[in-house]
Amino acid sequence: RKEVEQDPGPFNVPEGATVAFNCTYSNSASQSFFWYRQDCRKEPKLLMSVYSSGNEDGRFTAQLNRASQYISLLIRDSKLSDSATYLCVVNGYPGNQFYFGTGTSLTVIP
Amino acid sequence: GAGVSQSPSNKVTEKGKDVELRCDPISGHTALYWYRQSLGQGLEFLIYFQGNSAPDKSGLPSDRFSAERTGGSVSTLTIQRTQQEDSAVYLCASSLSGGRTDTQYFGPGTRLTVL
Repeated sequence: RKEVEQDPGPFNVPEGATVAFNCTYSNSASQSFFWYRQDCRKEPKLLMSVYSSGNEDGRFTAQLNRASQYISLLIRDSKLSDSATYLCVVNGYPGNQFYFGTGTSLTVIP
Repeated sequence: GAGVSQSPSNKVTEKGKDVELRCDPISGHTALYWYRQSLGQGLEFLIYFQGNSAPDKSGLPSDRFSAERTGGSVSTLTIQRTQQEDSAVYLCASSLSGGRTDTQYFGPGTRLTVL
């Protein structure tokens, strides 16, 4: 079983739509969770960390469900500039590794 | 300030040749990671350096892969006797202290093509 699994998509949504991505992880001891964004042929960049209580940054909301071992990312009022691949990242406690999902592709259509 | 830099940006080599990839982390960052990303695949962890501690090499796929970090800064990833399946983008990232909540800052990657 993969450490981190994501629906690869693609998700094609119109501007202004709300879209949600889920990600599951296998190591119940994992302590740190992130969403990274990767534009085509570019390096990944941190979008947001995911905290146990859930957190929001503008149009982006991240949630963590430890009992079910999944994290989610909600994007409201989608913009064309949100088109990218979103990577779910989980730390590999107790080691130093970070496990990346294969990414979910989002295209926002005018 | 300057971000993570990697060189070369592209490398084309013949099967069986050795290659060296270079990573310059952000100044002051003590942790450095190497990953590779194959087409349609997620990032695969290769190796992790933290300060003067022994590196975590658990992700290296074979003994043809090795990495070193000199003076706690620049790192080189060496692939000996390259194979076609080594073709991928090799990404380097650094973080301030290697903590589990630290942000990783990625370089632009080296695109390796083995013919």
